[in-house]
Amino acid sequence: AQTVTQSQPEMSVQEAETVTLSCTYDTSESDYYLFWYKQPPSRQMILVIRQEAYKQQNATENRFSVNFQKAAKSFSLKISDSQLGDAAMYFCAYGRDRDDKIIFGKGTRLHILP
Amino acid sequence: DTGVSQNPRHKITKRGQNVTFRCDPISEHNRLYWYRQTLGQGPEFLTYFQNEAQLEKSRLLSDRFSAERPKGSFSTLEIQRTEQGDSAMYLCASSGDRGRRREKLFFGSGTQLSVL
Repeated sequence: AQTVTQSQPEMSVQEAETVTLSCTYDTSESDYYLFWYKQPPSRQMILVIRQEAYKQQNATENRFSVNFQKAAKSFSLKISDSQLGDAAMYFCAYGRDRDDKIIFGKGTRLHILP
Repeated sequence: DTGVSQNPRHKITKRGQNVTFRCDPISEHNRLYWYRQTLGQGPEFLTYFQNEAQLEKSRLLSDRFSAERPKGSFSTLEIQRTEQGDSAMYLCASSGDRGRRREKLFFGSGTQLSVL
């Protein structure tokens, strides 16, 4: 079975600074996706970034980038130039390519300090 | 693209009552998923459908829970004899093979269940 582990329940970062959220996962499958989702107080799940496992190049989306280490099964999220609107729960997630089922980690609550 | 719709948004019920939630996926999506999320935790997978067939169920889905997707369109999740531990946000998501885009799964806004 696939598992996703986020070891940081909460993190804080000063506005405009950079923060990295950690995630590890376990799987025996070869084709899969990895995601970072943001969940603000509205509880709507918002996709931040996605990484295909077959791609070596790390995904980037504006201020968000990932460090994908496939052999180590590590998938961290870096947020640059943190903004107050980035404050939310962040979930690392594993997605099966064959049926799109997603498994979530327990989340990291990110606080942005003005 | 009208998105995934869930009703009701909020449900308050007394312990022992039955409740039913509805999810309307994006119209062309053939896969539909149910998740449960308690406060401060990540969503936990409950079950998923491909068209009208229920292909996988989590151990979390006890005998009191039943999900259906008649005709492969909308889905319902029923909880019988609710318990206080059932209080959670129930999220629905859908995906499809045609026009697959970045998001893979599209989530609804959820149904918040409170069992008193």
